[in-house]
Amino acid sequence: QKEVEQDPGPLSVPEGAIVSLNCTYSNSAFQYFMWYRQYSRKGPELLMYTYSSGNKEDGRFTAQVDKSSKYISLFIRDSQPSDSATYLCAMSVGGAQKLVFGQGTRLTINP
Amino acid sequence: KAGVTQTPRYLIKTRGQQVTLSCSPISGHRSVSWYQQTPGQGLQFLFEYFSETQRNKGNFPGRFSGRQFSNSRSEMNVSTLELGDSALYLCASSLDSVSETGELFFGEGSRLTVL
Repeated sequence: QKEVEQDPGPLSVPEGAIVSLNCTYSNSAFQYFMWYRQYSRKGPELLMYTYSSGNKEDGRFTAQVDKSSKYISLFIRDSQPSDSATYLCAMSVGGAQKLVFGQGTRLTINP
Repeated sequence: KAGVTQTPRYLIKTRGQQVTLSCSPISGHRSVSWYQQTPGQGLQFLFEYFSETQRNKGNFPGRFSGRQFSNSRSEMNVSTLELGDSALYLCASSLDSVSETGELFFGEGSRLTVL
């Protein structure tokens, strides 16, 4: 069993929909939780970062961490076709050190 | 500010050969990490270097090695290539890997095909 589980999708939703992406994990030592976005033929780029439990909002994006359930989520409001990409959750015990990534969910927003 | 630069972008090798990939981090970044990305396994951590020292290593065989130079540039080497080594190899840099932002800046990767 992988340390971090993420449904690879693909996920296809209409423009303007609310998108929910999720990951579960097994290592209780993880303290840093991140969401990266990867466009085709590009490297991943950091979208959201959260330390420990709680919520974090940045524009149309909200990241949630529930350490008691070992579950993290990313919500995208008012989704746009430009949001079409692969979304990767990532976690670590210490900052940017040795990130453990989920499989990535391929998301398509249809105009 | 220039991003992370990886060379070559694409390469094709045959089984048994070796390959060296290069990474130039963002200016001022001292930590360089390498990841392998495949459709089956996703992104997997290979190793991380800081100030020319390997600080962390993932669960890859000894055929995978790396080094970092005094200017923070890094190279990784894969010897005795196997078909399963075909992947996108991503380099990422950060100011310091213990930075609490957790932000890695990735290059566009080197796509290796082993025939």
